[in-house]
Amino acid sequence: ETGVTQSPTHLIKTRGQQVTLRCSSQSGHNTVSWYQQALGQGPQFIFQYYREEENGRGNFPPRFSGLQFPNYSSELNVNALELDDSALYLCASSLTGFETQYFGPGTRLLVL
Amino acid sequence: AQKVTQAQTEISVVEKEDVTLDCVYETRDTTYYLFWYKQPPSGELVFLIRRNSFDEQNEISGRYSWNFQKSTSSFNFTITASQVVDSAVYFCALRTGANSKLTFGKGITLSVRP
Repeated sequence: ETGVTQSPTHLIKTRGQQVTLRCSSQSGHNTVSWYQQALGQGPQFIFQYYREEENGRGNFPPRFSGLQFPNYSSELNVNALELDDSALYLCASSLTGFETQYFGPGTRLLVL
Repeated sequence: AQKVTQAQTEISVVEKEDVTLDCVYETRDTTYYLFWYKQPPSGELVFLIRRNSFDEQNEISGRYSWNFQKSTSSFNFTITASQVVDSAVYFCALRTGANSKLTFGKGITLSVRP
């Protein structure tokens, strides 16, 4: 059984650019959640997708957007990057929105 | 609103010592779920345990044990006979019954010295 995978592992962007992060859910899981983890902090919920629809959103501005595809993989898009967007972005998948979330290895984003 | 407090920020022990990681949570919901995750230096959050609000039974899994007490809103994690491989950041998290998001504490960095 394949676990949650994320790509790329590391990314360097400059302020104002746009970035797309990708996540493949664990086999059989139809729900994907995205979290942002700043250095030395706990992960913060960005949003969740269930069967291709957004199913809850945290306190993040609209320039953070996402998609879920029919195979339940997901993308996180961030427009107009700011320095504070530098963080580890974690994707988690679950059987449903209310089951245990299993996390991928994350994407480390550095905004210069 | 929901909140998770992990008052300990860093703990350092010598191998084979027992160590307890504290977690205090706040929620007004009567149905909620508590979790512990381990984050090694690689960054991936590894699921350790999930506990439901209506099940206060303590749990033991090998060297790991969890003490859930609703009266004090605490869900503490004990590692018995710690090992160097236990060195990581440990997060406690809360999810309420009607909400799909996890609310995490700030994490506890555990260092186990040989």
